[in-house]
Amino acid sequence: DTGVSQDPRHKITKRGQNVTFRCDPISEHNRLYWYRQTLGQGPEFLTYFQNEAQLEKSRLLSDRFSAERPKGSFSTLEIQRTEQGDSAMYLCASTRGEETQYFGPGTRLLVL
Amino acid sequence: AQKITQTQPGMFVQEKEAVTLDCTYDTSDPSYGLFWYKQPSSGEMIFLIYQGSYDQQNATEGRYSLNFQKARKSANLVISASQLGDSAMYFCAMREPIHGAGSYQLTFGKGTKLSVIP
Repeated sequence: DTGVSQDPRHKITKRGQNVTFRCDPISEHNRLYWYRQTLGQGPEFLTYFQNEAQLEKSRLLSDRFSAERPKGSFSTLEIQRTEQGDSAMYLCASTRGEETQYFGPGTRLLVL
Repeated sequence: AQKITQTQPGMFVQEKEAVTLDCTYDTSDPSYGLFWYKQPSSGEMIFLIYQGSYDQQNATEGRYSLNFQKARKSANLVISASQLGDSAMYFCAMREPIHGAGSYQLTFGKGTKLSVIP
């Protein structure tokens, strides 16, 4: 039974560069979520997909952020023109229906 | 307004002892759910236990139990017989509906860092 996977696990980039993260949910899970966790805080909700449809976006998701889930399986989160304030852990979670959200290992982003 | 409050930034417990991690919440929705997750230094969030607002009994999962006091709006996590591997951050979270989307998002507290002493 494979859990949620995320790639890469760590990313260091320079301010102004674009970065893309990938999340592969548990195979039978049709719902996928992205969260962001900054140092000393709990995760904060960013966006939600049901199958391939993006149904909710938090106001935290500025126009530099875009997320996709093209075939209702894996998802990507892209950050354009990164800023130092984007440094955080980006967590992906998946679930089937109203069940518990299961998280991946996260991608740690450091913007220099 | 903060919806999940964890007042203990850090806790210490002796190995094999029990420990209680506090969580209070705020909601006006009569139907809600409360979760506890463990986050080791590796970063992944590990689901521990869930309590629904209408559940008649307190949830238990192995060494984890949830002391749910609805009138006080508290959902404290109790870990019995602490082990060294229990050292981690612990987050309390509440399920909040994503209106119009038929799903829910999790709202987390700031967490409690638990250190188990040999």
